[in-house]
Amino acid sequence: KNQVEQSPQSLIILEGKNCTLQCNYTVSPFSNLRWYKQDTGRGPVSLTIMTFSENTKSNGRYTATLDADTKQSSLHITASQLSDSASYICVVGFSGTYKYIFGTGTRLKVLA
Amino acid sequence: DAGVTQSPTHLIKTRGQQVTLRCSPKSGHDTVSWYQQALGQGPQFIFQYYEEEERQRGNFPDRFSGHQFPNYSSELNVNALLLGDSALYLCASSLGSGGAYNEQFFGPGTRLTVL
Repeated sequence: KNQVEQSPQSLIILEGKNCTLQCNYTVSPFSNLRWYKQDTGRGPVSLTIMTFSENTKSNGRYTATLDADTKQSSLHITASQLSDSASYICVVGFSGTYKYIFGTGTRLKVLA
Repeated sequence: DAGVTQSPTHLIKTRGQQVTLRCSPKSGHDTVSWYQQALGQGPQFIFQYYEEEERQRGNFPDRFSGHQFPNYSSELNVNALLLGDSALYLCASSLGSGGAYNEQFFGPGTRLTVL
């Protein structure tokens, strides 16, 4: 079954600390993996996009990694800020289609 | 340059009614995808429209239908509403020819409540 699973479900950290979010997928055939940030009640905003040949991609304080062999990805947030409080969603695209599967997200709360 | 816009922002309907949601893509984009996001869940892919035709569909019943107009804007129609249709409906636009890097830009969503 094609699935995208994220962990942890929720996370609370102090401002300035780093954190890492995990994504495991069983989507096949694989095309690309994306990380999105979604503020409550808003649409998701793209952070990174990676194909199977890329194993790391950065966007400011966000760094995503991809291991296509183990079908795992991580999103590392450096020096967290209060504005990083949001849900982070991992999305995997199917090769040869325009279809995507979204994970249920990790809810991050950054405290002052 | 306006991003993706959706209307209305909120909507309340009763079971059995029909609803139409609207989406205008980001300028220059020709592809529109629709998603349903239940509370606390990730978005679920409903379908994608390109060149006024449904190009790809997710696992949603025929009660969910759509349309794309020549100006690339799109509508999502849901018939015979069920309580379980209550969700945030997201529209995303992209450039159809972008392949794996066809980044999707999401609108703010329409919150549908079915009573």
